[in-house]
Amino acid sequence: GDSVTQMEGPVTLSEEAFLTINCTYTATGYPSLFWYVQYPGEGLQLLLKATKADDKGSNKGFEATYRKETTSFHLEKGSVQVSDSAVYFCALVYGGATNKLIFGTGTLLAVQP
Amino acid sequence: EPEVTQTPSHQVTQMGQEVILRCVPISNHLYFYWYRQILGQKVEFLVSFYNNEISEKSEIFDDQFSVERPDGSNFTLKIRSTKLEDSAMYFCATSEGDRRTDTQYFGPGTRLTVL
Repeated sequence: GDSVTQMEGPVTLSEEAFLTINCTYTATGYPSLFWYVQYPGEGLQLLLKATKADDKGSNKGFEATYRKETTSFHLEKGSVQVSDSAVYFCALVYGGATNKLIFGTGTLLAVQP
Repeated sequence: EPEVTQTPSHQVTQMGQEVILRCVPISNHLYFYWYRQILGQKVEFLVSFYNNEISEKSEIFDDQFSVERPDGSNFTLKIRSTKLEDSAMYFCATSEGDRRTDTQYFGPGTRLTVL
């Protein structure tokens, strides 16, 4: 079945370091791909999305490119801040008759000053 | 910016009791969802709801669960007889449409603890 696999956490980085969180997916069709972020004590917030192959989603310095050939949607940021500490979830959705989000396990990012 | 709200933020209940979790969707959204996250595990889909009907439900969403939109604004999830394994964070989400390009917006969640 369809699934999303994320790199295991926690990921611990120093401020201003480069971030990559890997995400790969298995899908029978052509889904949209999302990154959601969950800050401590809060709900899930959309960080960015991409709806077709080669699309790049970006927001708040984060980027991810929809790579159909490698079935990947890796999250990157050039210089992380302490305020980026959160859990990051990769997810896919098809839309239409089955519009449920399928999530990865989440990756905890801890940024130290 | 419009938000999805959920109440209560934390609910503690005894096994076998009924609980109702409430969600207020963003006002122009027509599609509603419940997800849950057991501590340390994935966020899992429970049910989607549109036009006062369930569109899709997962295997988790058995006869103990029900959803309704009782007054045109709230969207509720009822668990009839709670079990220990229902302890989880429950998230409501809403979207304008059901296209794969439509974003689902999440509430802050209700932490349910079943004793």
